[in-house]
Amino acid sequence: GAVVSQHPSRVICKSGTSVKIECRSLDFQATTMFWYRQFPKKSLMLMATSNEGSKATYEQGVEKDKFLINHASLTLSTLTVTSAHPEDSSFYICSARKAGTSGSYSYNEQFFGPGTRLTVL
Amino acid sequence: SQQGEEDPQALSIQEGENATMNCSYKTSINNLQWYRQNSGRGLVHLILIRSNEREKHSGRLRVTLDTSKKSSSLLITASRAADTASYFCATAPDFQKLVFGTGTRLLVSP
Repeated sequence: GAVVSQHPSRVICKSGTSVKIECRSLDFQATTMFWYRQFPKKSLMLMATSNEGSKATYEQGVEKDKFLINHASLTLSTLTVTSAHPEDSSFYICSARKAGTSGSYSYNEQFFGPGTRLTVL
Repeated sequence: SQQGEEDPQALSIQEGENATMNCSYKTSINNLQWYRQNSGRGLVHLILIRSNEREKHSGRLRVTLDTSKKSSSLLITASRAADTASYFCATAPDFQKLVFGTGTRLLVSP
């Protein structure tokens, strides 16, 4: 299997506080994880690519000092929303990349977590 | 933006009918994937079609890919109320990122 978990599933915080969201690959190792943001009734927008043991790569327009990403192990990446404000309220989804070869077949798939609903008051 | 577009944005049908969703994308791809998302939940991977494939089936799902037109379609046959969800196509320009389409919200009424 390829299961990805996120914690917490839902968080409500006051404006100005920081919130940490965890993304774990439960049954495989993921050298690369991705963080997405989704607004209501909208599509997923990639925020950053998280690589184990190195700095994350942020998409254009995403503030790296605002959204801190740490990929400290092959099964865990964290996203910290620093000094959160109401406009940061959103649904955050992570995915973990599983890649490799099986015989002559190479595979490369992303498996998604269930998402975290962040509400900043 | 590299984001693809899906059409229609919303689709409402009766149980038993077929649902067809279309996806257009902008860049060359290695593969194209379709995902389902139930309201407020994560994404469920439905099917992957490689750039050298033209059609693929999985249960009640049929996906086509036309790389010359940079488009794909997802057909759900004999739809059920449980198929109610948002459906997204996602393209993989390289082996790293996924670029998601705008999505189609499907409502299947009993």
